[in-house]
Amino acid sequence: GAVVSQHPSWVICKSGTSVKIECRSLDFQATTMFWYRQFPKQSLMLMATSNEGSKATYEQGVEKDKFLINHASLTLSTLTVTSAHPEDSSFYICSARDTLRGGAGGELFFGEGSRLTVL
Amino acid sequence: AQSVTQLGSHVSVSEGALVLLRCNYSSSVPPYLFWYVQYPNQGLQLLLKYTSAATLVKGINGFEAEFKKSETSFHLTKPSAHMSDAAEYFCAVSEGAAGNKLTFGGGTRVLVKP
Repeated sequence: GAVVSQHPSWVICKSGTSVKIECRSLDFQATTMFWYRQFPKQSLMLMATSNEGSKATYEQGVEKDKFLINHASLTLSTLTVTSAHPEDSSFYICSARDTLRGGAGGELFFGEGSRLTVL
Repeated sequence: AQSVTQLGSHVSVSEGALVLLRCNYSSSVPPYLFWYVQYPNQGLQLLLKYTSAATLVKGINGFEAEFKKSETSFHLTKPSAHMSDAAEYFCAVSEGAAGNKLTFGGGTRVLVKP
């Protein structure tokens, strides 16, 4: 099946710094990627929809200036957590839809997730 | 708007016993429904999906789910639990085709006892 890779898997940073997380579709093109946030023992909450070549669409309550999303190519989307604080500590997961095999109920492929810890 | 409710945040089963995870959905249009499994510190893996074809859907690892429109349900079952089935399971709904954004249920953690 298709592979989505996230990097880094784990990151620890100091409060006030910025952290960039990459999401790559390794063997398919993805015009649309999704970024989710998962708190411990909770479900996934959609943060934003990342569209190649255009601005991301953020869900209600998600700060656009806090969570910067860039989708510069068909295989890469990045999430930058700016001026991170301890409350930003979470598990961030991306998913991507295969543009060419999108079909009915097209499958979303998920990355392995990136765990961010802000000290 | 769409929503998903998973009944029971934790389920404990004995190895070899039936696994039943409940999922009810709400959708303003015919839904696409999914079950995903998540192992610790990992992303999500698709178990199966319903896309308006057969109402009984068979997935990987011996899991299957039945779409019941009258009950707005999409419960997940496996006849005989294995130790490797211990994980978190998420039901999700998508309105419309081609992988529109998913709304997830709260998740059900499965514990398998030897």
